[in-house]
Amino acid sequence: GENVEQHPSTLSVQEGDSAVIKCTYSDSASNYFPWYKQELGKRPQLIIDIRSNVGEKKDQRIAVTLNKTAKHFSLHITETQPEDSAVYFCAANSGGTGGYNKLIFGAGTRLAVHP
Amino acid sequence: EAGVTQSPTHLIKTRGQQVTLRCSPISGHTSVYWYQQALGLGLQFLLWYDEGEERNRGNFPPRFSGRQFPNYSSELNVNALELEDSALYLCASSLTIAGGPGDTQYFGPGTRLTVL
Repeated sequence: GENVEQHPSTLSVQEGDSAVIKCTYSDSASNYFPWYKQELGKRPQLIIDIRSNVGEKKDQRIAVTLNKTAKHFSLHITETQPEDSAVYFCAANSGGTGGYNKLIFGAGTRLAVHP
Repeated sequence: EAGVTQSPTHLIKTRGQQVTLRCSPISGHTSVYWYQQALGLGLQFLLWYDEGEERNRGNFPPRFSGRQFPNYSSELNVNALELEDSALYLCASSLTIAGGPGDTQYFGPGTRLTVL
């Protein structure tokens, strides 16, 4: 079945450093890859997404890259700040005859940014 | 504009009981999704409804079911509750079903279900 693997499970960085989280997916028909940030006790919030017709997308300190051939996509956070500390989830869309909108999530990466 | 809302916020049930969770999507959104997030774990896809129809379901037993109403709100029903059903149940909504630019899923705050 469809699967998304996410690494690392935990990541600790110093404020100002960069953080990279990597995901691989199994469904070759996936064409939409969102990233969500979930702070403790709160709902997942979309931070950036990418579609299969582009290889890279950037929004201020956050960027996502996609390699469809290798079925890899990555989240890059530059100049990390303490408020970036949270759990980050990658996801890929999947589905069947009813449509391709269900999201398969990775297991999450707990990012800690130390002042 | 109001976001996705869910009720109740918290729920405590005992094994064998039944529970109904409710979700109201963002105005104009026709698709509603349900996900289960067990403590410390990722999100597992449960169900997807669009225009009142079930479009897809995840690998969950039939005692997990739901429906979508004409106003696009949705209910998730869980029968014969088991201890492992304890989790945060998240609802999300999106604008389209076609995988186009409008299909970003926006999450509600979730319902925390505890089964004793």
